[in-house]
Amino acid sequence: QVQLVESGGGLVKPGGSLRLSCATSGFPLHDYYMGWIRQAPGKGLEWLSYISSTGSTIYYADSVKGRFTISRDNAQNSLSLQMNSLRAEDTAVYYCARYNGGVIVESYYFDYWGQGTLVTVSS
Amino acid sequence: SYELTQPPSVSVSPGQTASIACSGDKLGEKYASWYQQKPGQSPVVVIFQDTKRPSGIPERFSGSNSGNTATLTIRGTQAMDEADYYCQAWDSSTATVFGGGTKLTVL
Repeated sequence: QVQLVESGGGLVKPGGSLRLSCATSGFPLHDYYMGWIRQAPGKGLEWLSYISSTGSTIYYADSVKGRFTISRDNAQNSLSLQMNSLRAEDTAVYYCARYNGGVIVESYYFDYWGQGTLVTVSS
Repeated sequence: SYELTQPPSVSVSPGQTASIACSGDKLGEKYASWYQQKPGQSPVVVIFQDTKRPSGIPERFSGSNSGNTATLTIRGTQAMDEADYYCQAWDSSTATVFGGGTKLTVL
């Protein structure tokens, strides 16, 4: 069965860095776009980034552009999110999720989500 | 950037029909999806590509999308449907975007 398992969260000081990982199994990662989404405590879902199946296309939300870097290793069935220059407002549960949909990317939605990993940015 | 707007809360009596709206500029020309999130859990897709229901999602969940509004409808609402619901779409300027979420209360 499809599984997405995030890791790497924790407590980090403002200005610090953290690298999140998402281990995938149960499906051929190389066939799917993947994304990262976060949810601040008591708040809604915020999409952060996506990466195409081959890694050739990457997109970021304005809130993390220039600070976060998404990457993937299809051979290792993993997805990563490198987070630099962290701020208090980056405190959230971070989810990796698999995109699915039709022929056009505009039809994509998230069909599987990980359980999330908590990142706390505080001094 | 593209934005999706949802009401913060919707209330419904058990057995009645709940409707949750999601508005965005020309949203009807895009695909809308809906996610249910219960406390402490990851989101689950309940409607994708406007009207499609994943396997395992009850038939009481349905979706529509026209004009500037997508709507999630839950017929015969049950207590177990109490959750936060988020709409989502894809826009060329912002890639994936979520609505702010709607808390559905069944009382």
